[in-house]
Amino acid sequence: EIVLTQSPDFQSVAPREKVTITCRASQSIGSNLHWYQQKPDQSPKLLITFVSQSFSGVPSRFSGSGSGIDYTLTINGLEAEDAATYYCHQTSSLPWTFGQGTKVEIK
Amino acid sequence: QVQLQESGPGLVKPSETLSLTCTVSGGSVSAYYLTWIRQPPGKGLEWIAHIYYTGIINYNPSLKGRAAISLDTSKNHFSLRLSFVTDADTAVYYCARGRDWLDPWGQGTLVTVSS
Repeated sequence: EIVLTQSPDFQSVAPREKVTITCRASQSIGSNLHWYQQKPDQSPKLLITFVSQSFSGVPSRFSGSGSGIDYTLTINGLEAEDAATYYCHQTSSLPWTFGQGTKVEIK
Repeated sequence: QVQLQESGPGLVKPSETLSLTCTVSGGSVSAYYLTWIRQPPGKGLEWIAHIYYTGIINYNPSLKGRAAISLDTSKNHFSLRLSFVTDADTAVYYCARGRDWLDPWGQGTLVTVSS
């Protein structure tokens, strides 16, 4: 199965700063990479589909990029409501897999 | 809009079968791929299986054949059965719409495996 490795595992960032989360796949996954946000005691919410397509209603400060095996989720101008764990998810090869998560704390 | 809601027992004994149902409202179960995902307490997400009304079903091999997903179009819901459970199956179980990207998700239901 394809392993997704996120870095860092944890990040403490001040409001209005930029957040960058990377997701590296164990093999090429093309554009089949999606991002979710999960706040404590909530179900995950879809942010980005197919590497860079922002899902409906997602604030414009969230963006995605990447190709091959390396992908990035960027939050431009962190807000307090963005405190959450972020997961990447590949749908290139079954079984679908998720990264281990990156927890973002507001400093 | 489409909403999903999981239901089922919150406690299952070891070696028994876990059974969960996901009721879909605001849309037909015949219109989408439907997926089960789980999350052990304090841990990450694991994709379990998905189903499409045409009969397409895929499972995560990590479950070693213990999982069974099914669809009931008359009740507009889909189900998950996981047999021979152990404490490693203790998790919040989510249902979600989609094959690739998943949205929306249900609120999740905690299933604890314990005697």
